[in-house]
Amino acid sequence: DVKVTQSSRYLVKRTGEKVFLECVQDMDHENMFWYRQDPGLGLRLIYFSYDVKMKEKGDIPEGYSVSREKKERFSLILESASTNQTSMYLCASSSPQVYNEQFFGPGTRLTVL
Amino acid sequence: KNQVEQSPQSLIILEGKNCTLQCNYTVSPFSNLRWYKQDTGRGPVSLTIMTFSENTKSNGRYTATLDADTKQSSLHITASQLSDSASYICVVSDRGNTGKLIFGQGTTLQVKP
Repeated sequence: DVKVTQSSRYLVKRTGEKVFLECVQDMDHENMFWYRQDPGLGLRLIYFSYDVKMKEKGDIPEGYSVSREKKERFSLILESASTNQTSMYLCASSSPQVYNEQFFGPGTRLTVL
Repeated sequence: KNQVEQSPQSLIILEGKNCTLQCNYTVSPFSNLRWYKQDTGRGPVSLTIMTFSENTKSNGRYTATLDADTKQSSLHITASQLSDSASYICVVSDRGNTGKLIFGQGTTLQVKP
């Protein structure tokens, strides 16, 4: 079974702090994604990566950056957290060989005070 | 603009009853359509995936249909159970290699005893 794990289920940070969200997948997938999910807005793509050291902006990249130094790991960075970044963050991975089906992690509920 | 729209936004049914969720999309060129189930506080889990040539697919009590001509899909749940209470998300993939998906906003289903 594909497994996507995220470093924290719940996280509370203060405004202005630097926040790291880690995601690891164990299926050797090429593609990895970071989304945020808010009530009424559905899942919105922040950044994605289709190879090591490669990254592409999604629909809402402002205020975020990413890092992919290894194939299995994709990190989301909030350089200076703000209250409007309070959200559920979901990581996913996929492979073009499997219809690009995305497998999601359990999510990180981030609260910025 | 590529879009996926779902209806209804929310639904309440009694345990044991059937229900049908709808999805309309305008994604082109179309590759595949999938339905995800997301329990509260969890990441989405894939229920079914259908390509252009498939018009129905079942997964236990879940049956998805696809009409590629009218660009509509439905998810039918038979003999609902309390554990079916969740959000159901319709997701469409275009033919790009990066694996980006277009998400609907989801239908929240509540099954009451």
